[in-house]
Amino acid sequence: EVQLVESGGGLVQPGGSLRLSCAASGFTVSSNYMSWVRQAPGKGLEWVSVIYSGGSTYYADSVKGRFTISRDNSKNTLYLQMNSLRAEDTAVYYCAREWWEGFGELLRFYGMDVWGQGTTVTVSS
Amino acid sequence: EIVLTQSPATLSLSPGERATLSCRASQSVSSYLAWYQQKPGQAPRLLIYDASNRATGIPARFSGSGSGTDFTLTISSLEPEDFAVYYCQQRSNWPPAYTFGQGTKLEIK
Repeated sequence: EVQLVESGGGLVQPGGSLRLSCAASGFTVSSNYMSWVRQAPGKGLEWVSVIYSGGSTYYADSVKGRFTISRDNSKNTLYLQMNSLRAEDTAVYYCAREWWEGFGELLRFYGMDVWGQGTTVTVSS
Repeated sequence: EIVLTQSPATLSLSPGERATLSCRASQSVSSYLAWYQQKPGQAPRLLIYDASNRATGIPARFSGSGSGTDFTLTISSLEPEDFAVYYCQQRSNWPPAYTFGQGTKLEIK
């Protein structure tokens, strides 16, 4: 069964750090583009970061320089290291697999087809 | 940065009725648009990709249309389990970034 399970969320003080994990089963993380998406309480979805199968990483402006996405191929696990946390980072964090089809210039992004259940991060003193 | 604007913010309908949700992009995204459904306490679920194609396991009552800047998600006859929040999403090529609309809440009238 294809599945993503997040962990690592919790309560942290402003300025603190937290590392989220996303364990995958049923597919290989390193062969896919993987994203983190967050949702603040009562708000909509906000994309946070992506790591490509080739290892390139990209971030939303709101987290650039503070968050780092990575993966451990041996553990088939995706991570999000969050530093210098702010109150506005409070959210449920989801990891998601991206669905792409095609090759070269015909490569198309279809959507995020597998999601974890989410892990809650609360930044508060 | 491409902005996606969804309307209406809230849609109140009864089971059996037809729902029409709109997503407008601030500039053309061709057909690179996806739709998601999210129920309370759950992760989003991919419904529609490439503007008009149903994802695996999505019932035929869900359909998507549009291209360029104007897109529509239609639910032909609402089932009780369809009442949820719906988001549209697009991806920008460079720099890579993903944008969601602010969501439309579909509620029972």
